[in-house]
Amino acid sequence: AQTVTQSQPEMSVQEAETVTLSCTYDTSESDYYLFWYKQPPSRQMILVIRQEAYKQQNATENRFSVNFQKAAKSFSLKISDSQLGDAAMYFCAYRLDRGTDKLIFGTGTRLQVFP
Amino acid sequence: NAGVTQTPKFRVLKTGQSMTLLCAQDMNHEYMYWYRQDPGMGLRLIHYSVGEGTTAKGEVPDGYNVSRLKKQNFLLGLESAAPSQTSVYFCDSSRGLDRIYNEQFFGPGTRLTVL
Repeated sequence: AQTVTQSQPEMSVQEAETVTLSCTYDTSESDYYLFWYKQPPSRQMILVIRQEAYKQQNATENRFSVNFQKAAKSFSLKISDSQLGDAAMYFCAYRLDRGTDKLIFGTGTRLQVFP
Repeated sequence: NAGVTQTPKFRVLKTGQSMTLLCAQDMNHEYMYWYRQDPGMGLRLIHYSVGEGTTAKGEVPDGYNVSRLKKQNFLLGLESAAPSQTSVYFCDSSRGLDRIYNEQFFGPGTRLTVL
């Protein structure tokens, strides 16, 4: 069975600095997707970034980028130039590229941003 | 388009009462999911559906039933609520075509408290 592990329950960063959130996963599959979701206090789940496992190039979305290490089954999120609005829960998630689109989530990392 | 909506947004139940949560989507999506979110545990899949008239169990199905009589609606029922079912419930939907990346759309969540 696939599992997703986020070992950092809480992280903090100074505004304008860079922070990296960690995620590891376990799977025997070769084709899958990995995601980072942001959940602000409003509770809405917001997709931050997506990585296809077959792509070697790391995904980037503006200030958000990932470090995808397929062999090590590691998928970290780097937030550059942190802003107060980045404060939220961040969830790492896994999904097979076929079948039912079911998501398997990690337990989340709460990010605090200090001015 | 309203996207994915959930009714109600908040509910307080007494132990043993029953209720139904409604998830509705107007995007003609085939796949729909119910997750529950508990502190420190991320989101866990309760039940899901890959099309009208179909349902399947997820990771934590006990104490819940579901129905998908209409493609646009996915109902989650609690027949006899227990305090352990106090949680935030999220609905999710996706277009559901195999081997093509389908974006997933989350509802705003329902906060349920069972006393």
